[in-house]
Amino acid sequence: GQQVMQIPQYQHVQEGEDFTTYCNSSTTLSNIQWYKQRPGGHPVFLIQLVKSGEVKKQKRLTFQFGEAKKNSSLHITATQTTDVGTYFCAGRQSGYSTLTFGKGTMLLVSP
Amino acid sequence: NAGVTQTPKFRVLKTGQSMTLLCAQDMNHEYMYWYRQDPGMGLRLIHYSVGEGTTAKGEVPDGYNVSRLKKQNFLLGLESAAPSQTSVYFCASSYGGDGYTFGSGTRLTVV
Repeated sequence: GQQVMQIPQYQHVQEGEDFTTYCNSSTTLSNIQWYKQRPGGHPVFLIQLVKSGEVKKQKRLTFQFGEAKKNSSLHITATQTTDVGTYFCAGRQSGYSTLTFGKGTMLLVSP
Repeated sequence: NAGVTQTPKFRVLKTGQSMTLLCAQDMNHEYMYWYRQDPGMGLRLIHYSVGEGTTAKGEVPDGYNVSRLKKQNFLLGLESAAPSQTSVYFCASSYGGDGYTFGSGTRLTVV
């Protein structure tokens, strides 16, 4: 079955440093979504990427979808303590109703 | 407020007991999902539904049953709880392939 791998599992940065998490799928995806889960909270949808090579920005967050539609990344510029949480990617194969989630990258930001 | 509501929020069961987790959404979404989240395992799909009266198995369906008698409700049942079912359970809904809206979760402990 489809597998979605995320690296790193965990990253601890100082406030103001940049952060990147990477997502790789074993199969070509029709689209990929990103979610953020704060400690003790539930996953919250951030964005969906559909097109090959697509890049989208949300303030300090930049999301990319690879040309082959098998990988994606989330980059946060100048992290803040409010960025703390676990970031999940989730991929959907063409013709499938459901998403396959990666195991997430836990981000800790020290002030 | 519009969203996904899960009840109960917390529950402790004894091995062998049964229970039903309720998920209700008021966004008129067709698709609904049940996930479990365990440390280091990410989100794993238990069962899902693509419309009223339909259900399908996900990645880890054993020991669980579901029903979708009404479009707005998706019930997850544990017939005979086991300690391995200790987890945080999240319900989610979506409009087709759009981003998922998650409930706040049910923390279940089986002793």
